[in-house]
Amino acid sequence: KNQVEQSPQSLIILEGKNCTLQCNYTVSPFSNLRWYKQDTGRGPVSLTIMTFSENTKSNGRYTATLDADTKQSSLHITASQLSDSASYICVVSRPYNTDKLIFGTGTRLQVFP
Amino acid sequence: DTEVTQTPKHLVMGMTNKKSLKCEQHMGHRAMYWYKQKAKKPPELMFVYSYEKLSINESVPSRFSPECPNSSLLNLHLHALQPEDSALYLCASSQDFFSQFTMVADTQYFGPGTRLTVL
Repeated sequence: KNQVEQSPQSLIILEGKNCTLQCNYTVSPFSNLRWYKQDTGRGPVSLTIMTFSENTKSNGRYTATLDADTKQSSLHITASQLSDSASYICVVSRPYNTDKLIFGTGTRLQVFP
Repeated sequence: DTEVTQTPKHLVMGMTNKKSLKCEQHMGHRAMYWYKQKAKKPPELMFVYSYEKLSINESVPSRFSPECPNSSLLNLHLHALQPEDSALYLCASSQDFFSQFTMVADTQYFGPGTRLTVL
């Protein structure tokens, strides 16, 4: 079954600290993996996209890694800010089958001062 | 312009009401989507339009009726909803279903959503 699992479900960190979110998937075949940030009550915003040949992708303080062999991805947030408080969703898609993205359940991050 | 707009931001309606949600994009995208998202859950795909034609209906109840008047607009007509239909309704668009060159799913750009409450 094609699934995307994320951990932890929720995370609380202090402002300025780093954190890493995990995404494991069983989707096959695999096309690409995206990390989205979703503020409460808002639509998701794309942070990074990686194909199977890419190991890492950065977007400012966000760095995503991908290991297509172990089917794992991580999102590392450096020097967290209060505005990083949001849900982070890992989304996987398959080639030639783009009618449906496979969403992870998300990690709820809260950054406190 | 890389924005997908949705109106209204909030909507409260009774079970006998008829209302519509609107979505608009001016990025020239040819695929548009409706998602439903319950609290603390990932978005669930409802409908996909490609080149103004309904391509995907994820077995959505008929009380939800999508409409694509043109390539920039997507509506979701609501009628006789149930309280369990209360959710955040997200619209998204992408260049196409998938890139003709890389054969991968195009990035979907999401709107801010409409928070729907059914009383």
